Amino acid sequence: DTAVSQTPKYLVTQMGNDKSIKCEQNLGHDTMYWYKQDSKKFLKIMFSYNNKELIINETVPNRFSPKSPDKAHLNLHINSLELGDSAVYFCASSQVGGGAEAFFGQGTRLTVV
Amino acid sequence: DQQVKQNSPSLSVQEGRISILNCDYTNSMFDYFLWYKKYPAEGPTFLISISSIKDKNEDGRFTVFLNKSAKHLSLHIVPSQPGDSAVYFCAASKNTDKLIFGTGTRLQVFP
Repeated sequence: DTAVSQTPKYLVTQMGNDKSIKCEQNLGHDTMYWYKQDSKKFLKIMFSYNNKELIINETVPNRFSPKSPDKAHLNLHINSLELGDSAVYFCASSQVGGGAEAFFGQGTRLTVV
Repeated sequence: DQQVKQNSPSLSVQEGRISILNCDYTNSMFDYFLWYKKYPAEGPTFLISISSIKDKNEDGRFTVFLNKSAKHLSLHIVPSQPGDSAVYFCAASKNTDKLIFGTGTRLQVFP
């Protein structure tokens, strides 16, 4: 029974398109995150939501818009995709704030062509 | 500005021996440190953590050491097993703020 699940696992799309990645956690956690792992393998936080409220926005371009319909879901919508958006995007959740142990989804490998 | 650094991109260790993975940080305000393990095509999984009020935490084959004066932490795996082959990330946070990750060290345990 997957604790943090995100879909799709792979996403290939053309520049300029709009795409969404979905994330769900069944751990009852209050806090959810989106992380980006770029080609240099840096794993950086993008957004953090606590109980549907945006807590952290790490100066991500506004083409990226997270949506949290409830505390178990945090989706990521990306408008006007660019080549530089190609990366692996990880969703995660934790019981308390960002410093606690976070549980990660399997990742979504986004390739923009 | 990389606040958490793992200067060894890779490490190769023989099965049964000790693996030592190192991590340095620059922000003295960090008060919580974690190690994550990542297999290919999977998300990172939490391994072990340590609070800044401690200098050692042990969990089975895994021990994390923290040297606050040197701003250095290390993960010891003993004995190393082939299944330990993965990428290991250290991470740090302050006041339960966001996690800052290092760039990872790829550990290979060979027979």
